[in-house]
Amino acid sequence: DAKTTQPPSMDCAEGRAANLPCNHSTISGNEYVYWYRQIHSQGPQYIIHGLKNNETNEMASLIITEDRKSSTLILPHATLRDTAVYYCIVRTRSNDYKLSFGAGTTVTVRA
Amino acid sequence: NAGVTQTPKFRVLKTGQSMTLLCAQDMNHEYMYWYRQDPGMGLRLIHYSVGEGTTAKGEVPDGYNVSRLKKQNFLLGLESAAPSQTSVYFCASSRRASEETQYFGPGTRLLVL
Repeated sequence: DAKTTQPPSMDCAEGRAANLPCNHSTISGNEYVYWYRQIHSQGPQYIIHGLKNNETNEMASLIITEDRKSSTLILPHATLRDTAVYYCIVRTRSNDYKLSFGAGTTVTVRA
Repeated sequence: NAGVTQTPKFRVLKTGQSMTLLCAQDMNHEYMYWYRQDPGMGLRLIHYSVGEGTTAKGEVPDGYNVSRLKKQNFLLGLESAAPSQTSVYFCASSRRASEETQYFGPGTRLLVL
């Protein structure tokens, strides 16, 4: 799986959009970009994933650059409950069984 | 629909004791996984199963055994617990491996003294 690079931490004001960057410059054509988050002491929670098109769901939007070497997770209106560690993961779609969690980005939403 | 549940939530063991962690899912998923998470680190895969009656080793399988006798249950066993196995254990399941979302349980906190 391609390695990812994320900033270790970032702050965000409540009610504002939170933009979380992820670099995956060695991503290959059959690898998806996944985002999970882990709120303190809980199990990881799936947020969104995509291959090359931008994606949006009820939780977030995922913007993937045209060369697919980086992506941005957007939380449109951050709340205090969005405070968590956010993991950007790339994985193949061919029989890959595991998620490789790195250090992630610790996002703190402040009132 | 409870999703993925784990039993127990918390356990303290003495070195050398054995125990079994139970994971159950009600989503009819084929694949199930056991991960461990140590402080300040990401999750590491211990064992996984691609279907009832099958298991396979992950990244850190030593000291653990698993069984998948029923599709909905995945058991993780520690035959002789060691302090290095103090960790938080997460179970997950997915419909299948490729490009499928993994759904996680709430975790089991294990302390080995």
